[in-house]
This record gives sequence, structure tokens and C-alpha cells, in this order.
Amino acid sequence: KAGVTQTPRYLIKTRGQQVTLSCSPISGHRSVSWYQQTPGQGLQFLFEYFSETQRNKGNFPGRFSGRQFSNSRSEMNVSTLELGDSALYLCASSSDRGRGDTFFGQGTRLTVV
Amino acid sequence: SQQGEEDPQALSIQEGENATMNCSYKTSINNLQWYRQNSGRGLVHLILIRSNEREKHSGRLRVTLDTSKKSSSLLITASRAADTASYFCATLMIKAAGNKLTFGGGTRVLVKP
Repeated sequence: KAGVTQTPRYLIKTRGQQVTLSCSPISGHRSVSWYQQTPGQGLQFLFEYFSETQRNKGNFPGRFSGRQFSNSRSEMNVSTLELGDSALYLCASSSDRGRGDTFFGQGTRLTVV
Repeated sequence: SQQGEEDPQALSIQEGENATMNCSYKTSINNLQWYRQNSGRGLVHLILIRSNEREKHSGRLRVTLDTSKKSSSLLITASRAADTASYFCATLMIKAAGNKLTFGGGTRVLVKP
């Protein structure tokens, strides 16, 4: 069974640009969540989708958005990039309506210059 | 905000020794999961323990959960150089909507050959 797949693995963007990150969950998993990891703030929850609906949102500005498609694949978008958005973005998927084991992808390393 | 606090922040041991790290949290949980992260990469799921469980084993890993003390411990027995990584605990709070995991700050483990 394939794991959680995130693309791209690495990304370099300029301040003010926007970026879209993609995540394919484990087959059969309908809960997809996103996390940001930085040295200063650690691992922080961005949002979670279940059956194409955003079920939970973390404390991030509106520049961070996401969506989930009918095949459970998810994308997150960051608009008007700031230097502080440089981070490792991790996607996770879970079955059992989100109450089971949660598996993470390899992450997308975003660098904003 | 971080629900979990991990202790110690860093641990250095010799190959073959056991490594123990602890995680404390603040509110009632549905489950607690432990993850390993090698430098700059994704999170590898190690084990999930539910609030009604006290101990679980997986290979060289042993996890305990004490809900009365709101704490968990991860023991790695007979450590290997390949166990060098950061270890994180993540809690799913009992009142959480969906699958929002809250992470601790992590324990950096160095296993010296």
C-alpha cells in the first residue's frame, strides 16, 4: 500500500508569490490534514479535510487555504508569500474518521527568498 | 499552542543502551501517537496508544500511558545508530473536532556507535 505522497519535495519561491502544494493520502483514507514545521514554532496544525469539507482550522492567516477533492487528494495554497512562511509542510492522512493512526508524507520544503 | 511537553529535549546514549523519553499533556485525550523524524524529513508513525490502554509494544518500542498523570513514555530498547532522530508525541484531544493532532516539542536522540 502506497504511503502519503507529497509533491513537490522542494520549492523555492519569491516573496509575494503564491504556491500550491499537493498531497495524495493513503488509499481509503478520507481525512487529510496539513501541518507546518519550523524551528521556532515546531509542528503546528493548519487545517483538516474530511470528505471534501474543512473540518478543522488552525490559527493561521487567511493566506493559507486548502481544499480536498472527491478522490481525497488535497492541495494547500499559500498566497502572498512572506519570508516567515519558509518551513517544512507536512500532510497527513488517517482513516477511522480521523481517530486512528495518522500517517505523514515526506513533506514539502518551502523556501521563500 | 503545544499541548505536549517532552522530556528530555535531548538525549545522548551509546549503541545497545535503552532510551527513554517522556511526554506530558494538559487536557484529556482520545489517543496519543509517537513519531520519529530524521533530519528534515517526514514523520514516521511509530505507535498509537488509546486513552483506555496502559501499555503497548512494537518491536523494540514500548509505550506507556498514564491518563491520571497525563503522561506517556516511549522506551527504545537496545538502541542502534539508526535510531538517531527526533521523537515527537502527538495527542488527539477528546473534545477535538476531527483529527487535529497537537505536538510536543520533541526529543532529539543521538545514538553513538
